[in-house]
Amino acid sequence: KQEVTQIPAALSVPEGENLVLNCSFTDSAIYNLQWFRQDPGKGLTSLLLIQSSQREQTSGRLNASLDKSSGRSTLYIAASQPGDSATYLCAVDNNAGNMLTFGGGTRLMVKP
Amino acid sequence: AAGVIQSPRHLIKEKRETATLKCYPIPRHDTVYWYQQGPGQDPQFLISFYEKMQSDKGSIPDRFSAQQFSDYHSELNMSSLELGDSALYFCASASTGNEETNEKLFFGSGTQLSVL
Repeated sequence: KQEVTQIPAALSVPEGENLVLNCSFTDSAIYNLQWFRQDPGKGLTSLLLIQSSQREQTSGRLNASLDKSSGRSTLYIAASQPGDSATYLCAVDNNAGNMLTFGGGTRLMVKP
Repeated sequence: AAGVIQSPRHLIKEKRETATLKCYPIPRHDTVYWYQQGPGQDPQFLISFYEKMQSDKGSIPDRFSAQQFSDYHSELNMSSLELGDSALYFCASASTGNEETNEKLFFGSGTQLSVL
Protein backbone atom coordinates (compact mmCIF):
# COMPACT_ATOMS: atom_id res chain seq x y z
CA LYS A 1 0.00 0.00 0.00
CA GLN A 2 1.33 3.40 -1.00
CA GLU A 3 2.24 5.74 1.83
CA VAL A 4 3.09 9.39 1.33
CA THR A 5 4.94 11.46 3.91
CA GLN A 6 5.60 15.17 3.90
CA ILE A 7 8.27 16.97 5.85
CA PRO A 8 8.11 19.36 7.56
CA ALA A 9 4.55 19.31 8.84
CA ALA A 10 4.69 23.05 9.41
CA LEU A 11 7.03 25.81 8.33
CA SER A 12 7.21 29.50 9.16
CA VAL A 13 9.53 31.75 7.19
CA PRO A 14 10.03 35.47 6.65
CA GLU A 15 8.94 36.96 3.36
CA GLY A 16 11.45 36.69 0.54
CA GLU A 17 13.02 33.41 1.57
CA ASN A 18 13.45 30.50 -0.80
CA LEU A 19 12.11 27.28 0.65
CA VAL A 20 11.84 23.57 -0.04
CA LEU A 21 9.01 21.25 0.86
CA ASN A 22 9.68 17.52 0.86
CA CYS A 23 7.52 14.57 -0.11
CA SER A 24 8.44 10.90 0.03
CA PHE A 25 6.50 7.84 -1.09
CA THR A 26 7.03 4.15 -0.43
CA ASP A 27 5.97 2.60 -3.75
CA SER A 28 8.07 4.01 -6.58
CA ALA A 29 5.83 2.50 -9.30
CA ILE A 30 3.90 5.71 -9.70
CA TYR A 31 2.06 7.08 -12.71
CA ASN A 32 2.36 10.72 -11.72
CA LEU A 33 2.76 13.03 -8.73
CA GLN A 34 0.90 16.25 -8.11
CA TRP A 35 1.43 19.16 -5.75
CA PHE A 36 -1.66 20.94 -4.49
CA ARG A 37 -2.30 24.04 -2.44
CA GLN A 38 -5.16 24.18 0.06
CA ASP A 39 -6.33 27.30 1.85
CA PRO A 40 -8.25 26.85 5.12
CA GLY A 41 -11.72 25.43 4.51
CA LYS A 42 -11.24 25.58 0.78
CA GLY A 43 -10.70 23.20 -2.08
CA LEU A 44 -7.43 22.03 -3.52
CA THR A 45 -5.69 23.90 -6.30
CA SER A 46 -3.40 21.86 -8.51
CA LEU A 47 -0.01 23.54 -8.73
CA LEU A 48 2.18 21.14 -10.67
CA LEU A 49 1.83 17.65 -12.12
CA ILE A 50 4.90 15.56 -12.87
CA GLN A 51 4.55 12.45 -14.99
CA SER A 52 6.63 9.44 -13.93
CA SER A 53 8.90 9.93 -16.95
CA GLN A 54 9.65 13.55 -16.06
CA ARG A 55 12.23 14.95 -13.65
CA GLU A 56 10.76 18.36 -12.94
CA GLN A 57 8.06 20.90 -13.71
CA THR A 58 8.12 24.66 -13.28
CA SER A 59 5.39 27.23 -12.96
CA GLY A 60 6.36 30.78 -12.07
CA ARG A 61 8.11 30.79 -8.71
CA LEU A 62 7.38 27.10 -8.18
CA ASN A 63 9.58 24.21 -9.22
CA ALA A 64 8.81 20.58 -8.46
CA SER A 65 11.28 17.78 -8.92
CA LEU A 66 10.76 14.05 -8.95
CA ASP A 67 13.22 11.25 -8.19
CA LYS A 68 11.09 8.19 -8.71
CA SER A 69 13.79 5.66 -7.89
CA SER A 70 14.36 7.12 -4.44
CA GLY A 71 10.68 7.86 -3.87
CA ARG A 72 11.10 11.59 -3.40
CA SER A 73 9.74 14.85 -4.68
CA THR A 74 10.49 18.41 -3.66
CA LEU A 75 8.56 21.61 -4.16
CA TYR A 76 10.78 24.65 -4.35
CA ILE A 77 9.20 28.06 -3.77
CA ALA A 78 11.34 31.03 -4.69
CA ALA A 79 11.07 34.46 -3.11
CA SER A 80 8.19 33.49 -0.83
CA GLN A 81 5.32 35.93 -0.27
CA PRO A 82 2.65 36.17 2.46
CA GLY A 83 0.10 35.09 -0.15
CA ASP A 84 1.90 31.76 -0.38
CA SER A 85 0.70 30.91 3.13
CA ALA A 86 -1.38 27.74 2.82
CA THR A 87 -1.14 23.99 3.22
CA TYR A 88 0.77 22.24 0.45
CA LEU A 89 -0.18 18.67 -0.31
CA CYS A 90 1.71 16.11 -2.31
CA ALA A 91 -0.34 13.34 -3.96
CA VAL A 92 0.67 10.24 -5.85
CA ASP A 93 -1.26 8.37 -8.53
CA ASN A 94 -0.22 4.72 -8.83
CA ASN A 95 -2.55 3.47 -11.51
CA ALA A 96 -3.48 6.34 -13.83
CA GLY A 97 -6.96 6.54 -12.36
CA ASN A 98 -6.48 9.66 -10.25
CA MET A 99 -7.06 7.56 -7.12
CA LEU A 100 -4.60 9.81 -5.37
CA THR A 101 -2.81 9.01 -2.15
CA PHE A 102 -2.14 12.24 -0.31
CA GLY A 103 0.57 13.16 2.12
CA GLY A 104 -0.29 14.88 5.38
CA GLY A 105 0.64 18.27 3.98
CA THR A 106 2.99 21.04 5.01
CA ARG A 107 1.40 24.11 6.59
CA LEU A 108 3.36 27.10 5.37
CA MET A 109 3.23 30.54 6.89
CA VAL A 110 5.13 33.36 5.25
CA LYS A 111 5.46 36.36 7.55
CA PRO A 112 5.55 39.89 6.12
CA ALA B 1 -12.96 30.18 -16.43
CA ALA B 2 -15.65 27.87 -15.12
CA GLY B 3 -14.67 25.73 -12.18
CA VAL B 4 -16.05 22.67 -10.45
CA ILE B 5 -19.22 23.61 -8.60
CA GLN B 6 -20.41 21.80 -5.52
CA SER B 7 -23.63 22.22 -3.63
CA PRO B 8 -24.48 22.79 -0.93
CA ARG B 9 -21.45 24.49 0.60
CA HIS B 10 -22.53 23.51 4.08
CA LEU B 11 -24.90 20.82 5.30
CA ILE B 12 -25.99 19.93 8.79
CA LYS B 13 -27.69 16.61 9.41
CA GLU B 14 -28.54 14.42 12.35
CA LYS B 15 -27.49 10.84 12.89
CA ARG B 16 -29.34 8.29 10.74
CA GLU B 17 -30.49 10.95 8.29
CA THR B 18 -29.63 10.98 4.60
CA ALA B 19 -27.73 13.55 2.58
CA THR B 20 -27.18 14.23 -1.10
CA LEU B 21 -24.19 16.17 -2.34
CA LYS B 22 -24.04 17.51 -5.87
CA CYS B 23 -21.12 18.17 -8.16
CA TYR B 24 -21.05 19.97 -11.51
CA PRO B 25 -17.75 19.35 -13.33
CA ILE B 26 -15.95 21.77 -15.57
CA PRO B 27 -17.62 21.82 -19.01
CA ARG B 28 -16.29 19.09 -21.33
CA HIS B 29 -14.70 17.20 -18.43
CA ASP B 30 -15.77 13.59 -18.63
CA THR B 31 -14.48 12.22 -15.34
CA VAL B 32 -15.62 13.00 -11.82
CA TYR B 33 -13.97 12.01 -8.54
CA TRP B 34 -15.20 12.18 -4.95
CA TYR B 35 -12.85 12.63 -2.01
CA GLN B 36 -13.51 12.82 1.73
CA GLN B 37 -11.34 14.91 4.05
CA GLY B 38 -11.94 14.45 7.74
CA PRO B 39 -10.89 17.10 10.29
CA GLY B 40 -7.11 17.36 10.27
CA GLN B 41 -6.87 14.49 7.79
CA ASP B 42 -5.64 14.28 4.23
CA PRO B 43 -8.18 13.63 1.47
CA GLN B 44 -9.23 10.03 0.91
CA PHE B 45 -10.48 8.81 -2.47
CA LEU B 46 -14.06 7.54 -2.43
CA ILE B 47 -15.22 6.83 -5.98
CA SER B 48 -14.89 8.01 -9.57
CA PHE B 49 -16.94 7.99 -12.76
CA TYR B 50 -15.94 8.16 -16.40
CA GLU B 51 -18.58 8.79 -19.04
CA LYS B 52 -21.35 8.06 -16.55
CA MET B 53 -19.92 4.67 -15.56
CA GLN B 54 -18.22 3.91 -12.26
CA SER B 55 -14.52 3.55 -12.96
CA ASP B 56 -12.76 3.17 -9.62
CA LYS B 57 -13.85 2.61 -6.05
CA GLY B 58 -11.90 3.52 -2.96
CA SER B 59 -12.77 3.60 0.72
CA ILE B 60 -16.45 4.38 0.23
CA PRO B 61 -18.80 2.90 2.85
CA ASP B 62 -21.66 0.69 1.67
CA ARG B 63 -24.03 3.33 3.09
CA PHE B 64 -22.86 5.71 0.38
CA SER B 65 -23.69 5.54 -3.30
CA ALA B 66 -22.97 7.81 -6.21
CA GLN B 67 -23.79 8.24 -9.85
CA GLN B 68 -22.96 10.42 -12.81
CA PHE B 69 -25.80 11.69 -14.95
CA SER B 70 -26.17 12.31 -18.68
CA ASP B 71 -25.13 15.96 -18.24
CA TYR B 72 -21.99 14.72 -16.41
CA HIS B 73 -22.97 16.11 -13.05
CA SER B 74 -22.61 13.69 -10.16
CA GLU B 75 -24.38 13.11 -6.88
CA LEU B 76 -23.09 11.44 -3.75
CA ASN B 77 -25.88 9.92 -1.67
CA MET B 78 -25.18 9.19 1.97
CA SER B 79 -27.61 7.23 4.15
CA SER B 80 -27.74 6.30 7.82
CA LEU B 81 -25.35 9.12 8.60
CA GLU B 82 -22.90 8.64 11.44
CA LEU B 83 -20.96 11.18 13.47
CA GLY B 84 -17.78 10.00 11.76
CA ASP B 85 -19.15 11.04 8.38
CA SER B 86 -18.59 14.68 9.34
CA ALA B 87 -16.01 15.85 6.84
CA LEU B 88 -15.30 18.06 3.88
CA TYR B 89 -16.40 16.26 0.71
CA PHE B 90 -14.60 17.28 -2.44
CA CYS B 91 -15.54 16.66 -5.99
CA ALA B 92 -12.91 16.93 -8.70
CA SER B 93 -13.11 16.66 -12.45
CA ALA B 94 -10.69 15.94 -15.25
CA SER B 95 -10.63 15.59 -18.98
CA THR B 96 -9.08 12.27 -19.80
CA GLY B 97 -8.97 12.87 -23.52
CA ASN B 98 -7.05 16.17 -23.55
CA GLU B 99 -3.29 15.66 -23.81
CA GLU B 100 -2.43 19.05 -22.35
CA THR B 101 -4.50 18.76 -19.20
CA ASN B 102 -4.89 15.01 -19.13
CA GLU B 103 -5.32 13.69 -15.60
CA LYS B 104 -4.78 17.07 -13.95
CA LEU B 105 -7.49 17.31 -11.33
CA PHE B 106 -9.55 20.40 -10.74
CA PHE B 107 -11.21 20.43 -7.34
CA GLY B 108 -14.37 22.13 -6.19
CA SER B 109 -14.53 24.09 -2.95
CA GLY B 110 -16.14 21.16 -1.18
CA THR B 111 -19.26 20.52 0.87
CA GLN B 112 -18.77 20.70 4.61
CA LEU B 113 -21.00 18.04 6.15
CA SER B 114 -21.65 18.13 9.87
CA VAL B 115 -23.48 15.22 11.44
CA LEU B 116 -24.88 16.01 14.90
